[in-house]
Amino acid sequence: QLQLQESGPGLMKPSETLSLTCTVSGGSISSSNYYWGWIRQPPGKVLEWIGSIYYSGSTYHNPSLKSRVTISVDTSKNQFSLKLSSVTAADTAVYYCACNLKPIGAMVFDHWGQGTLVTVSS
Amino acid sequence: DIQMTQSPSTLPASVGDRVTITCRASQSISTWLAWYQQKPGKAPELLIYKASSLESGVPSRFSGSGSGTEFTLTISSLQPDDFATYYCQQYNIYSTFGQGTKLEIK
Repeated sequence: QLQLQESGPGLMKPSETLSLTCTVSGGSISSSNYYWGWIRQPPGKVLEWIGSIYYSGSTYHNPSLKSRVTISVDTSKNQFSLKLSSVTAADTAVYYCACNLKPIGAMVFDHWGQGTLVTVSS
Repeated sequence: DIQMTQSPSTLPASVGDRVTITCRASQSISTWLAWYQQKPGKAPELLIYKASSLESGVPSRFSGSGSGTEFTLTISSLQPDDFATYYCQQYNIYSTFGQGTKLEIK
């Protein structure tokens, strides 16, 4: 059973760079046809797709965040990561990592982590 | 950006009811639409993808339909476990979610 677990800082200050890691267990991140992605949800608000990465390394980003987002895969650690630069209070949200295990699209996810709350405050 | 508008925002219903949630896209997305269920404090769970394909393990009382700009999620007979918030998601051009429909006990 594939499981995903996010890890990150919890609390950050404005202008810092957010770094989150998703550790994959029960499966290989380098398996073909899998997309891995990040989605966030500000408290009480709507879900927002941040970006996706294919097992081969091809990436897709939300245009509204693209200039601040980096998504990468570390096959040696079976992890993928998100970096979001120049954070502000508007980036306060629960961040989810997710994946899909069948070819349903780069931005649709059938497995999700439990989510991690990141708060940006001075 | 493609905007997704769900209606209603809140839907009071009772166990056993048949309920329908509507999602409208600001431009045609063919059938590139998914539906998720989310319970408080939990991650979303995929119910439907490609507008009408039922995700494995999801009860058959859930169904999706539509194409182009108008889509529906129907629950044929509400069960106690179904009271949650439902989101539609387009993935035709990048991805955007609707604002959610909270299904609550009448």
